[in-house]
Amino acid sequence: EAQVTQNPRYLITVTGKKLTVTCSQNMNHEYMSWYRQDPGLGLRQIYYSMNVEVTDKGDVPEGYKVSRKEKRNFPLILESPSPNQTSLYFCASSPTGGFVQETQYFGPGTRLLVL
Amino acid sequence: AQKVTQAQTEISVVEKEDVTLDCVYETRDTTYYLFWYKQPPSGELVFLIRRNSFDEQNEISGRYSWNFQKSTSSFNFTITASQVVDSAVYFCALSEARSAGANSKLTFGKGITLSVRP
Repeated sequence: EAQVTQNPRYLITVTGKKLTVTCSQNMNHEYMSWYRQDPGLGLRQIYYSMNVEVTDKGDVPEGYKVSRKEKRNFPLILESPSPNQTSLYFCASSPTGGFVQETQYFGPGTRLLVL
Repeated sequence: AQKVTQAQTEISVVEKEDVTLDCVYETRDTTYYLFWYKQPPSGELVFLIRRNSFDEQNEISGRYSWNFQKSTSSFNFTITASQVVDSAVYFCALSEARSAGANSKLTFGKGITLSVRP
């Protein structure tokens, strides 16, 4: 089944404790992206990747890191989480990015609570 | 800069009523794409429709229909004969088509919470 998976789905952590949220897609998509969803703000893009080893900042990148060493995986890293990073996080992928805008498919979401 | 406005924040209807969710967008590009996503209480995002800026034909899919009007920069979504299972948060989103290799960022509205009562 074609899908985007995220792990963990739920995470409670404390301020400053490094964490990684994994994202994997099995559709051979080149484009992947991370969004965060906050009440009253909708979804905002954190980082995106056009392909392996090609990543760039979205609208709200502060406090986050990403890597794209393999085409299928795009982990989101919080080196020192803070309470304002408490949010619902979504990973998304599409076949390619840019001019031809295909539909982006989203993972199931990861609910993060930083105490 | 691109922007999506969903002025309605919460809508409550009784089952079998028709309901329209409004979406107004702003963009400087002539080529762009509009989307609607549904987020049920379980939290996942479900893709509903994609429409490009050159196709102003209205679309119908079962009880769902979409009205795209470039003259008013609107892409409204109507659910006919609503059902309890339609209860969800609905997001309208916009993406501008750029050159190959550019960011395919989706700009989302703030979402509309639809509650359908039995």
